[in-house]
Amino acid sequence: VQLVESGGGLVKPGESLRVSCAASGFTFSNAWMTWVRQAPGKGLEWVGRIKSEGSGATTDYAAPVKGRFTISRDDSKNMLYLQMNSLKTEDTAVYYCTTVNRGSGSYYNNLFFEDWGQGTLVTVSS
Amino acid sequence: DIQMTQSPSSLSASVGDRVTITCRASQSISSYLNWYQQKSGKAPNLLIYAAYSLQSGVSSRFSGNGSGTDFTLTISGLQPEDFATYYCQQSYSTPRTFGQGTKVEIK
Repeated sequence: VQLVESGGGLVKPGESLRVSCAASGFTFSNAWMTWVRQAPGKGLEWVGRIKSEGSGATTDYAAPVKGRFTISRDDSKNMLYLQMNSLKTEDTAVYYCTTVNRGSGSYYNNLFFEDWGQGTLVTVSS
Repeated sequence: DIQMTQSPSSLSASVGDRVTITCRASQSISSYLNWYQQKSGKAPNLLIYAAYSLQSGVSSRFSGNGSGTDFTLTISGLQPEDFATYYCQQSYSTPRTFGQGTKVEIK
């Protein structure tokens, strides 16, 4: 499994940016995917998740980004995207894409973040 | 949202020590609890899922326990490569939330 993020950079508050995640080594179209971010020197924060097309490709978002960020996927290209609009200084972070896997048996509903990319740094500053 | 609280926030230990990190959820999460290790400048790495299931390829020095609201991650026989920050994460409900992290440093 390989996940490679790209597209990070320096933007001003209020601007937009799209980061991407190129996936390989597994059947991307069957995978649920998430974005997790980490502000400099801080802990991990779940950003949002997209299910597989087979599960409706539905999305969920953390409250701080809901309405501003959009997760999408292109299964024909094995690509995951995070469109970030109306960026704020507090969105400055390393953004990681991850695969989502689940336990087995009685723990089938336990979802965890199994494989991670190396991250891409987004800096929002005037 | 479910709040996850880890203790301690940091600890100093020596190679060979047994180390235990605690994670407490603000409400019962059954066994929907995962643990990650993050080394400086690197992406996190899954250690334990469903409270006690060891991820493939992870050393058996790591073990997890607990259910409901109280969980532990134990490292038996700390090795130099284990010095890192450890995070718990609940998968009981959305939004998924992490603990604030526990940094394990060399004494």
